[in-house]
Amino acid sequence: EAGVVQSPRYKIIEKKQPVAFWCNPISGHNTLYWYLQNLGQGPELLIRYENEEAVDDSQLPKDRFSAERLKGVDSTLKIQPAELGDSAVYLCASSSRTSGTGELFFGEGSRLTVL
Amino acid sequence: GENVEQHPSTLSVQEGDSAVIKCTYSDSASNYFPWYKQELGKRPQLIIDIRSNVGEKKDQRIAVTLNKTAKHFSLHITETQPEDSAVYFCAASRSAGGTSYGKLTFGQGTILTVHP
Repeated sequence: EAGVVQSPRYKIIEKKQPVAFWCNPISGHNTLYWYLQNLGQGPELLIRYENEEAVDDSQLPKDRFSAERLKGVDSTLKIQPAELGDSAVYLCASSSRTSGTGELFFGEGSRLTVL
Repeated sequence: GENVEQHPSTLSVQEGDSAVIKCTYSDSASNYFPWYKQELGKRPQLIIDIRSNVGEKKDQRIAVTLNKTAKHFSLHITETQPEDSAVYFCAASRSAGGTSYGKLTFGQGTILTVHP
C-alpha cells in the first residue's frame, strides 16, 4: 500500500514569492491534515479536512496561507507571499475515520527555505 | 485548547539501560494519547498509543502509562538499542466522532541518544 505522498520534498524561494505543496493521502482515508514543523519542535496543526470540508483551520494564517482539497482526495497548501519565518517542514498526514484507530500516517514532508 | 508539555528535551542513555519520557496535558476531555518516533529527516511514525479507558499498554520493549487524574502519561523503553535513537513526540487529542480523534496536539519532542 502506498503511503502519503508529498511534493516537492525541498523548495528554496526568495521572500515574497509564492509556493505550493501537494499531498496525496492514503487511498480511502477521509481525513487529511497539514502540519507545520519548525526545527526542533513538534508538529503544529494548520488545517484538518474531513473529505473536502475544512473542519479545523483555526491555526492557518489566512492572510497568506490557503489550502484546498478538491474532490476529497489530493490537497494543496499555498503560501503567498512567503516570509522568512515560513521556513519549516510542512507535513501532510491522513487517517481513516473507520479504522478503529486514531493513527495518523505522515508523508515525508516538504522542507521550505525562504531566503 | 489543549497544551502538551514534554520532558526531558534531550535524553542520553547507555545501550541496555531504560529510558523514560514524560508528558502532561491540560484538556481533561482528551482521551487518546499516541507516541510518535521521528528519525532524522524522516516522517513521524506511530510506535504506541493508549486510550483513556486503560492505564497501561505494553508492546515488547516499549510501554506507555496514563494517569488521568494527574493528566500525565509516560513512555518507557527498556533494554535500549542504538536504533532507538530518534526524536520522540507525545500527543493528545479528544474523540471527534466515530473513530476519528480529530486534532492531535504534540509535545515539543525528546531527542533520545542511545550510546553503544
